Amino acid sequence: NAGVMQNPRHLVRRRGQEARLRCSPVKGHSHVYWYRQLPEEGLKFMVYLQKENIIDESGMPKERFSAEFPKEGPSILRIQQVVRGDSAAYFCASSSGTGGSPGSNQPQHFGDGTRLSIL
Amino acid sequence: KQEVTQIPAALSVPEGENLVLNCSFTDSAIYNLQWFRQDPGKGLTSLLLIQSSQREQTSGRLNASLDKSSGRSTLYIAASQPGDSATYLCAVRPYNTDKLIFGTGTRLQVFP
Repeated sequence: NAGVMQNPRHLVRRRGQEARLRCSPVKGHSHVYWYRQLPEEGLKFMVYLQKENIIDESGMPKERFSAEFPKEGPSILRIQQVVRGDSAAYFCASSSGTGGSPGSNQPQHFGDGTRLSIL
Repeated sequence: KQEVTQIPAALSVPEGENLVLNCSFTDSAIYNLQWFRQDPGKGLTSLLLIQSSQREQTSGRLNASLDKSSGRSTLYIAASQPGDSATYLCAVRPYNTDKLIFGTGTRLQVFP
């Protein structure tokens, strides 16, 4: 079984451009999470989505950032008008949800990340 | 607010030593705790997941314990090898959320 696939692995953008990061979850997983790892910092939660729905976006900046997980296709994290401070590694994770709080008892499986560099 | 701390921040040991990595969290209201390994420039590999009702989990040379009431977990690595060199992260899933709260990691180097 293929794991979580993220692309591109590396992305370079100039200030003011848009960045689109893609994530294909493990086959059969309907829960997707995005995390950001700034240089020399730990991973921070950004957003949690189930198919076509945003469940928790408490970690996502209010402006310029958006995420979607359409019925068909990968999850997309979109950053508009990028700034130098957006340079980071962005990780996607997926899990399957069973009982109780959706996804609560299942491990999250991570992709290899997209390393975004802003010139 | 849940905070996760890992000690030590870095560790360098000779091959063959048994190691203990520590993780502490401030709020015991968690569903589970997960240990990960991260190699430089790579993603996270899940090592062990301990449910809140469990005390420990084992996989090969790895053993993780959980004491929820005291807010602590330890990752025990037996007979360390150079291939174990990586950053080890612990993360908790608080009640009523589906996100993981990560610690800052322990950077481990095992030299031959």
